[in-house]
Amino acid sequence: DAGVTQSPTHLIKTRGQQVTLRCSPISGHKSVSWYQQVLGQGPQFIFQYYEKEERGRGNFPDRFSARQFPNYSSELNVNALLLGDSALYLCASSLVAAGDTQYFGPGTRLTVL
Amino acid sequence: GNSVTQMEGPVTLSEEAFLTINCTYTATGYPSLFWYVQYPGEGLQLLLKATKADDKGSNKGFEATYRKETTSFHLEKGSVQVSDSAVYFCALSRTGTASKLTFGTGTRLQVTL
Repeated sequence: DAGVTQSPTHLIKTRGQQVTLRCSPISGHKSVSWYQQVLGQGPQFIFQYYEKEERGRGNFPDRFSARQFPNYSSELNVNALLLGDSALYLCASSLVAAGDTQYFGPGTRLTVL
Repeated sequence: GNSVTQMEGPVTLSEEAFLTINCTYTATGYPSLFWYVQYPGEGLQLLLKATKADDKGSNKGFEATYRKETTSFHLEKGSVQVSDSAVYFCALSRTGTASKLTFGTGTRLQVTL
């Protein structure tokens, strides 16, 4: 079975632009979480979605938003990009919302110039 | 709040040496504990996990024991290989309505011949 897939692999944007990142979970998984990993640091939790509803939100500004579709895939949107948004964005999926192991995709590397 | 503290790297070892990467945590209640590994240019892979006190997680020769009395989850391997060179992340997840992972800052391991 395919693992978690993310697109695009790499992305270069300029300050002030908007970006959309996409994630497809493992087949059968209904929960998707998003994490931001700045170079040299551990991933930081952004959002979790389960059955199209937001189940958790990390300490990120309102410029960050996400949604989950009926097929359980998800999009992360970031508006008004800042240089500090440059990072590896990781998507993770799990069977259920709570108490389950999360499996990560390869990530999308976002560079903001 | 929840937090994870890992020993700083990089850790440089010769092949077949013994590995220990220290991890301690702060959390209320009984979190689940994880070790993830990140190879260069890739996302995170689950290495092992433990969900209750005194549980031992193991995989690919790596082991870690959930020690509630010392709030620790140290990663060990008896004989490292060059292919183990990667960044290792300790993480915890609190049981609740969501499965937010809280990560440490990561420890880079470099194994030389």
